[in-house]
Amino acid sequence: ETGVTQSPTHLIKTRGQQVTLRCSSQSGHNTVSWYQQALGQGPQFIFQYYREEENGRGNFPPRFSGLQFPNYSSELNVNALELDDSALYLCASSLGGQGANYGYTFGSGTRLTVV
Amino acid sequence: RKEVEQDPGPFNVPEGATVAFNCTYSNSASQSFFWYRQDCRKEPKLLMSVYSSGNEDGRFTAQLNRASQYISLLIRDSKLSDSATYLCVALDSNYQLIWGAGTKLIIKP
Repeated sequence: ETGVTQSPTHLIKTRGQQVTLRCSSQSGHNTVSWYQQALGQGPQFIFQYYREEENGRGNFPPRFSGLQFPNYSSELNVNALELDDSALYLCASSLGGQGANYGYTFGSGTRLTVV
Repeated sequence: RKEVEQDPGPFNVPEGATVAFNCTYSNSASQSFFWYRQDCRKEPKLLMSVYSSGNEDGRFTAQLNRASQYISLLIRDSKLSDSATYLCVALDSNYQLIWGAGTKLIIKP
């Protein structure tokens, strides 16, 4: 059973650029969620995908967008990067619906630095 | 008011002591609750789920009080390796995780 893998592990971008982060879900999981974690804070929910459709979104602007593919892997895209976007971006997979009660599996994250 | 609130910490505790973490949640529709552990610059890892009946896993005991919307985690006989940030998490009615800010625990020899 493979866990959640994220790429890249680290990234440095310039303000105004665009970035794409990738996530492969754990085998058997059909739901992927993305979180932003700033230093010293808890993760903040960005959005969630279930069977290729967005089924929940946190308080993030439209320049944060995503995709889920038929194999349940996912991408997070951020346009017009701002300095405050510097954070650890976490991807988590789970079973959909009631299956979420069994918990989420997290990837090791992508650390994004915007300069 | 934050949806999930925890003690701000940090907790500085001698090795072998018992540590208690408290957490409250505001959304009574929250379905499930978890404690996650996060080491510095690493991803959160599930420590244990929290049930109304209380559950124990070795030195760790978690408790949920739905009437008070309160969750706790107790660590007995603390070890140096328990040093980490402990995050209280609620699963809301949309099956989304709502996180507390975390409480940092530092175990001293």
